Amino acid sequence: DQQVKQNSPSLSVQEGRISILNCDYTNSMFDYFLWYKKYPAEGPTFLISISSIKDKNEDGRFTVFLNKSAKHLSLHIVPSQPGDSAVYFCAASAPTSGTYKYIFGTGTRLKVLA
Amino acid sequence: SAVISQKPSRDICQRGTSLTIQCQVDSQVTMMFWYRQQPGQSLTLIATANQGSEATYESGFVIDKFPISRPNLTFSTLTVSNMSPEDSSIYLCSVLAGQGGNQPQHFGDGTRLSIL
Repeated sequence: DQQVKQNSPSLSVQEGRISILNCDYTNSMFDYFLWYKKYPAEGPTFLISISSIKDKNEDGRFTVFLNKSAKHLSLHIVPSQPGDSAVYFCAASAPTSGTYKYIFGTGTRLKVLA
Repeated sequence: SAVISQKPSRDICQRGTSLTIQCQVDSQVTMMFWYRQQPGQSLTLIATANQGSEATYESGFVIDKFPISRPNLTFSTLTVSNMSPEDSSIYLCSVLAGQGGNQPQHFGDGTRLSIL
């Protein structure tokens, strides 16, 4: 049972346009959501996060939106740059036995075309 | 942010053999995490390694197959034992970015393991 789903395995966007990456989850106990970026041969790098008490968090070109009623979050990148080309993972966490467990989606490969 | 060094970066191994992956952090951390990413799949948590106690394994992962050591607050190893082609994956270690509550994780660059 995949609790965090990224239904688009890949996405291509023109440089300068908006990239929108989507993520759906099923566990209503998740209270913290994160996006990671991963380049080939490197580990995932933390990008941006959002608490379940918020519906939007912005950091420069990156904005994460959370729709709790729909159990959906999205990452917006504006404007998209060729260096943004990477695999993006969304993740969610919930308190579990005194700690936090993180569940990752399968990733979306973003390609920004120059 | 924590700097995490993982060794080896990649290896090709024969089935039936074992490989130990090392993870070194440049600061003291309470918990270290080991993940596996099979081709086309998400990152799956194998176990949480706490210093001074046994590692906590997730469902589907057992100590005999993935023994973990955590001798101090900056170092951990994961051994993949009696390897089969199904163990071909990227193995990653990670630590929490801060103390308490929800925190992002910092990851090492991973070990890409191929079993023939």
